[in-house]
Amino acid sequence: TQLLEQSPQFLSIQEGENLTVYCNSSSVFSSLQWYRQEPGEGPVLLVTVVTGGEVKKLKRLTFQFGDARKDSSLHITAAQPGDTGLYLCAGGDNYGQNFVFGPGTRLSVLP
Amino acid sequence: GAGVSQSPRYKVAKRGQDVALRCDPISGHVSLFWYQQALGQGPEFLTYFQNEAQLDKSGLPSDRFFAERPEGSVSTLKIQRTQQEDSAVYLCASSLGSVGVNTGELFFGEGSRLTVL
Repeated sequence: TQLLEQSPQFLSIQEGENLTVYCNSSSVFSSLQWYRQEPGEGPVLLVTVVTGGEVKKLKRLTFQFGDARKDSSLHITAAQPGDTGLYLCAGGDNYGQNFVFGPGTRLSVLP
Repeated sequence: GAGVSQSPRYKVAKRGQDVALRCDPISGHVSLFWYQQALGQGPEFLTYFQNEAQLDKSGLPSDRFFAERPEGSVSTLKIQRTQQEDSAVYLCASSLGSVGVNTGELFFGEGSRLTVL
């Protein structure tokens, strides 16, 4: 069974601060996705990374896939209250039939 | 609507009752997934369909759980003889791609929150 761990589990910061959250596994994934989930809603895709070492930027969010395709990080610059939510990473298998989700990092950005 | 639709949004059941949760995926999406999300946790995979074929049901926690997608569009997740540990949000997601398209985006519904008393 492929397992994903995420850290930290909870993070509370002030508006304007920077932060990094991590997604780690002992397994290799063919792709890794980051989702954000708000209360009462389903997760919404932020980014997909597929190449080891790949870095993608989405406005103030920077995503990196580890060289060995076992881990990933999400860095947020100058966090805003609108960034508050549950950040989930999901690893994809070779056939795209199963996405394994991590437990998530719950981020709270205080104004 | 244009997105994934799930019903009911909320369901309260007495222990031992049967429940049925419905998912309307985005039109034309080949793949459909069901996930179970406990409070404060990430989604846990239950089962996967490609069109009407259930290709993976390894995540279903017991034989009380059954899912179908008979015409390759709408799917129903049925839970028989519900137990308190079945209380969770059940998320449905659809994806345009199929086998081999491993970067496909999952589009999630808002979920069905099941509470078993």
